[in-house]
Amino acid sequence: KQEVTQIPAALSVPEGENLVLNCSFTDSAIYNLQWFRQDPGKGLTSLLLIQSSQREQTSGRLNASLDKSSGRSTLYIAASQPGDSATYLCAVRPRNSGGSNYKLTFGKGTLLTVNP
Amino acid sequence: GAGVSQTPSNKVTEKGKYVELRCDPISGHTALYWYRQSLGQGPEFLIYFQGTGAADDSGLPNDRFFAVRPEGSVSTLKIQRTERGDSAVYLCASSLDYDNNEQFFGPGTRLTVL
Repeated sequence: KQEVTQIPAALSVPEGENLVLNCSFTDSAIYNLQWFRQDPGKGLTSLLLIQSSQREQTSGRLNASLDKSSGRSTLYIAASQPGDSATYLCAVRPRNSGGSNYKLTFGKGTLLTVNP
Repeated sequence: GAGVSQTPSNKVTEKGKYVELRCDPISGHTALYWYRQSLGQGPEFLIYFQGTGAADDSGLPNDRFFAVRPEGSVSTLKIQRTERGDSAVYLCASSLDYDNNEQFFGPGTRLTVL
């Protein structure tokens, strides 16, 4: 059974810092990995999706990397801003031949606070 | 175009009551998913629809939970005889189809069972 772990559970940084959020998964047979942002009381906003054949994806100040063989992904946020404060979730989509490879397995998230 | 919408945004009910939660997917998306997110946890899969049929309902916790999608668009998640443990945020997502699986999520319905 796929398990996804996110470290740290919470992170507080001053504005302007660069930071890294970590995601690890136990089963490397994945189709893709997705990073989401969740604001309090809100749904999920997709930030980046990395296919299993890719090593990284970039969008603005965000860069996500994927090392499938070691079961790790990182989300790098450059020059953090107070508006980046939210919970960041990673989710993996499995690759399997028996169907059910649409079920995303999520980590519990990292709660990020960027202080002005 | 519009994203995934869910109604109501909040629902407070008493133990034992029946509730319906609605999801309106992105227009043209044939695949629809329901997830449940308990406090401090990541979302967990409940059910997947491809078109009108429930292709996989293995995540539904018990037979008090049921979901329909009669016309292949809007879906309703139905919970009978609600229990306090059903309190959670219920998230709906849709994707273009089975192969194009990037899932786009709605804002969720926060269900509180008193």
